[in-house]
Amino acid sequence: EAGVTQFPSHSVIEKGQTVTLRCDPISGHDNLYWYRRVMGKEIKFLLHFVKESKQDESGMPNNRFLAERTGGTYSTLKVQPAELEDSGVYFCASSQAVFEGYTFGSGTRLTVV
Amino acid sequence: KNQVEQSPQSLIILEGKNCTLQCNYTVSPFSNLRWYKQDTGRGPVSLTIMTFSENTKSNGRYTATLDADTKQSSLHITASQLSDSASYICVVTHSLGGSQGNLIFGKGTKLSVKP
Repeated sequence: EAGVTQFPSHSVIEKGQTVTLRCDPISGHDNLYWYRRVMGKEIKFLLHFVKESKQDESGMPNNRFLAERTGGTYSTLKVQPAELEDSGVYFCASSQAVFEGYTFGSGTRLTVV
Repeated sequence: KNQVEQSPQSLIILEGKNCTLQCNYTVSPFSNLRWYKQDTGRGPVSLTIMTFSENTKSNGRYTATLDADTKQSSLHITASQLSDSASYICVVTHSLGGSQGNLIFGKGTKLSVKP
């Protein structure tokens, strides 16, 4: 089966610009998660979708981040306006059931300059 | 504070040698512990998952142990191969129901296997 797909794989933008990251989960996986790893830090949770609904968005750092999952399929994570501290690797994961083994995408490396 | 600490931060070994990576956690209450392998430029891939009642679990040349009393886990790699070069991440699930926000990640151990 196809895995979790993320794009772009890399993005370099200037401070103040907008960037949209996309995640295509494994087909049939209702649960979709966004995580972020900032340089030198551990991976941290951002938010969790169950189908198109936000189950938990407690990890979203601030209101510059907006995640959507229209129709319960792919998801987008928009950062607007981007700040330097937003640089990092953004991972998406999906699972069929919560707390079941889930599959990570390869991540999007975002660099804000 | 719920934390996962891994050691060493990095490790270099020769091909064919064994190695052991450590994970200590302070997460409570605890649901399960997972070890992930993350190759450069790729997402983490699950190696093992253990609940509090499991002491050891193997996946090929990878063997994970868990001591829920001392809150320690280890990942032992036998007869290392060049392809084992990666970051190994310990992830502990905080047993609050419902949300995946309860996953606590360690920073990982970066393993380099040299020929």
